[in-house]
Amino acid sequence: DIQMTQSPSSLSASVGDRVTITCRASQGIRNDLGWYQQKPGKVPERLIYAASNLQSGVPSRFSGSGSGTEFTLTIGSLQPEDFATYYCLQYNSYPLTFGGGTKVEIK
Amino acid sequence: EVQLVESGGGLVQPGRSLRLSCAASEFTFDDYAMHWVRQAPGKGLEWVSGISWNSGNIAYADSVKGRFTISRDNAKTSLYLQMNSLRAEDTALYYCVKDNGGNSGDLDSWGQGTLVTVSS
Repeated sequence: DIQMTQSPSSLSASVGDRVTITCRASQGIRNDLGWYQQKPGKVPERLIYAASNLQSGVPSRFSGSGSGTEFTLTIGSLQPEDFATYYCLQYNSYPLTFGGGTKVEIK
Repeated sequence: EVQLVESGGGLVQPGRSLRLSCAASEFTFDDYAMHWVRQAPGKGLEWVSGISWNSGNIAYADSVKGRFTISRDNAKTSLYLQMNSLRAEDTALYYCVKDNGGNSGDLDSWGQGTLVTVSS
């Protein structure tokens, strides 16, 4: 099984900050990776697919990069509505596996 | 807009069974793979099982293999999860999730979830 190691597990940031979250795969997964945002009590929503493709309707301050084993999600300028938990998901092979999540909190 | 509505959750004793359903609409159901993903209270996301568009490919997480069975009825545009020998650690919110393709694993649309609580 492919393990997804996501870091950090939590971070505190201010509105306007640039935020970067990383996921490392235990083996190469090409670009078969998605990023999801989950707000408290809400359903996860896809932000990024195929490592760097922005989901329709998602603000352009979100971006994804990486290939192989290392991936990043960047929020260019953190907004109040971005405080949430973020997860990566590898779909290169079954079983699909999520990262442990990164909780982004207000500083 | 894709609609996924889960049902069938509830309180069940350890060792008993439960069947979850997911009614899908507003997309061509039999063109897409479907999945179940769960989230234990206060925890992260865990993929449970997936089924390809024609039921030809099925996969399970190790944690549920041999106890859970995924199935679909394309005529009824519905997805199911038969859960047997339930354990306390199966307690979670179970989401029905649409794949972006026939069997890609790229999860693009989520239902609201149905809560399963396993407790005596």
